[in-house]
Amino acid sequence: IAGITQAPTSQILAAGRRMTLRCTQDMRHNAMYWYRQDLGLGLRLIHYSNTAGTTGKGEVPDGYSVSRANTDDFPLTLASAVPSQTSVYFCASSGASDTGELFFGEGSRLTVL
Amino acid sequence: GQNIDQPTEMTATEGAIVQINCTYQTSGFNGLFWYQQHAGEAPTFLSYNVLDGLEEKGRFSSFLSRSKGYSYLLLKELQMKDSASYLCAVRDSNYQLIWGAGTKLIIKP
Repeated sequence: IAGITQAPTSQILAAGRRMTLRCTQDMRHNAMYWYRQDLGLGLRLIHYSNTAGTTGKGEVPDGYSVSRANTDDFPLTLASAVPSQTSVYFCASSGASDTGELFFGEGSRLTVL
Repeated sequence: GQNIDQPTEMTATEGAIVQINCTYQTSGFNGLFWYQQHAGEAPTFLSYNVLDGLEEKGRFSSFLSRSKGYSYLLLKELQMKDSASYLCAVRDSNYQLIWGAGTKLIIKP
């Protein structure tokens, strides 16, 4: 049972570098999300995808891009990382349950120096 | 603007009962969620309320009053493993989740 898998678990990179965080789910959920979590703040939505082939901007999309070529994969790319993007990133998905609750990956801790 | 308020930190004793409150102001309402997040781990789903009243699930219960914009999570018979952050989230009229900053619950023996 995998659920949602994120990679890498942790990464340190220099400012200005390009970075892609990978997210794969095996639950055949239509909706997927990328959040960042910073100390003292609630989870903030970066981008989302309601179904394969579509994406949308969340609360804090600047500096990030996503793609959804298929149902399972939802990578998040930082084109040119900046120190303010130091955070823990969570990928999540939701299916057609009564509640529509989110299932989260284990997170990717990113440090930009 | 949309806002979710919950206490930053609470302390309780093993075996006791604790109530974590959440108040919200959102554009519309399509359900309220509680998640548990242990340090360094992913949030996991605890409960969902869409109608007023109490939902009980084992040692955990969640209450909702839509007219007051208020919910609480009640944890009974506290165990050390309940030490975690508890996140309140509201789904708004656009079906987007608005998250509170979380309440860190510390359980003491």
